[in-house]
Amino acid sequence: KQEVTQIPAALSVPEGENLVLNCSFTDSAIYNLQWFRQDPGKGLTSLLLIQSSQREQTSGRLNASLDKSSGRSTLYIAASQPGDSATYLCAVRPTGTASKLTFGTGTRLQVTL
Amino acid sequence: GAVVSQHPSRVICKSGTSVKIECRSLDFQATTMFWYRQFPKQSLMLMATSNEGSKATYEQGVEKDKFLINHASLTLSTLTVTSAHPEDSSFYICSARSGFNQPQHFGDGTRLSIL
Repeated sequence: KQEVTQIPAALSVPEGENLVLNCSFTDSAIYNLQWFRQDPGKGLTSLLLIQSSQREQTSGRLNASLDKSSGRSTLYIAASQPGDSATYLCAVRPTGTASKLTFGTGTRLQVTL
Repeated sequence: GAVVSQHPSRVICKSGTSVKIECRSLDFQATTMFWYRQFPKQSLMLMATSNEGSKATYEQGVEKDKFLINHASLTLSTLTVTSAHPEDSSFYICSARSGFNQPQHFGDGTRLSIL
């Protein structure tokens, strides 16, 4: 059974800092991995999707990497802003016909002024 | 981009009431829709997967008679919480995708509070 863990569970940084969020998964047989953002009381916004054959994806100040063999992914946020404050979730999709996403426990990020 | 609309955003009702939540894909045809439940400060837990025109597949531990799912068209799925009780209070989120190899797009969720 796939298990997805995110560290740290919560993080507070001052504005302008670069930061890294970590995601680890136990089964490396994945189809893709996705990073989401969730604001309080809201649904999920997809940030980056990395296919299993890719090593990284970039979008603006965000960069996500994937090391499938070690079961790890990182989300790098450059020059953090207060608007980045949210919960960040990673989710893995397995290979095969069972295409259900397994979500991590999330990292609650607060960027202070 | 692909938009998923979920309605209502918030429901407060008395114990014993049945509540229906709608999930619509606005600009694409959703062959598959997913329903999740999220408790405070916890991650999303998949409840069921539904394919258009087929019966939903429920995850282990999810009562199919309690949580009725209908996916009658390629743009609409509904989740009905029957005879809701306080322990059913949670945040329910739907997602949809247009094909097996396509990413899931999520709605904004429904906050259900049962008094």
